[in-house]
Amino acid sequence: AQSVSQHNHHVILSEAASLELGCNYSYGGTVNLFWYVQYPGQHLQLLLKYFSGDPLVKGIKGFEAEFIKSKFSFNLRKPSVQWSDTAEYFCAVNARSNYQLIWGAGTKLIIKP
Amino acid sequence: DTGVSQDPRHKITKRGQNVTFRCDPISEHNRLYWYRQTLGQGPEFLTYFQNEAQLEKSRLLSDRFSAERPKGSFSTLEIQRTEQGDSAMYLCASSPQRGQPVMNTEAFFGQGTRLTVV
Repeated sequence: AQSVSQHNHHVILSEAASLELGCNYSYGGTVNLFWYVQYPGQHLQLLLKYFSGDPLVKGIKGFEAEFIKSKFSFNLRKPSVQWSDTAEYFCAVNARSNYQLIWGAGTKLIIKP
Repeated sequence: DTGVSQDPRHKITKRGQNVTFRCDPISEHNRLYWYRQTLGQGPEFLTYFQNEAQLEKSRLLSDRFSAERPKGSFSTLEIQRTEQGDSAMYLCASSPQRGQPVMNTEAFFGQGTRLTVV
């Protein structure tokens, strides 16, 4: 069965620090990969996605993620975080052969001003 | 607002009662999904519609749960004889169909319906 693992449940950083959130998945076939963000009191929003092509994908608000197929990883990065990045971040994967998104448990990110 | 709309936003019910939630997807999206999210977890897939056809159901969807999308537009999720374990956030999402493979598009989520069973 597919699964998604996010390594950190809580991350606290100061403004301007660099961010990397880990995401690993288990599935041997072709996958689509997503990072979603949920700001306090808001709905889930897509940050970025990978379907094919360049494994380094850029999303909104300065976020990027790198797909490393050999490591089954899709880590999220941002070089310099802002207070407004305080939110919960979810990694999600779906196999090309079905409709389900399989989600990680999420990482709560708190940025100290 | 032309996003995914869910109603109600909050529902408190007594154990054993039936509840029904509604989801209005983005108008041109023919794919609709229901997910459930409990505290500290990511969403879990419940079911998927393409137009009015329910194409996939999770094993999480017991026989107390039923979902419909009668005209391929809005969808309802009904839970019969609610149990305390049904307390969760119920999320609806929609996506357009753009060629193959089948899930090559992102899903757009509503704000969810938070169910509390007391």
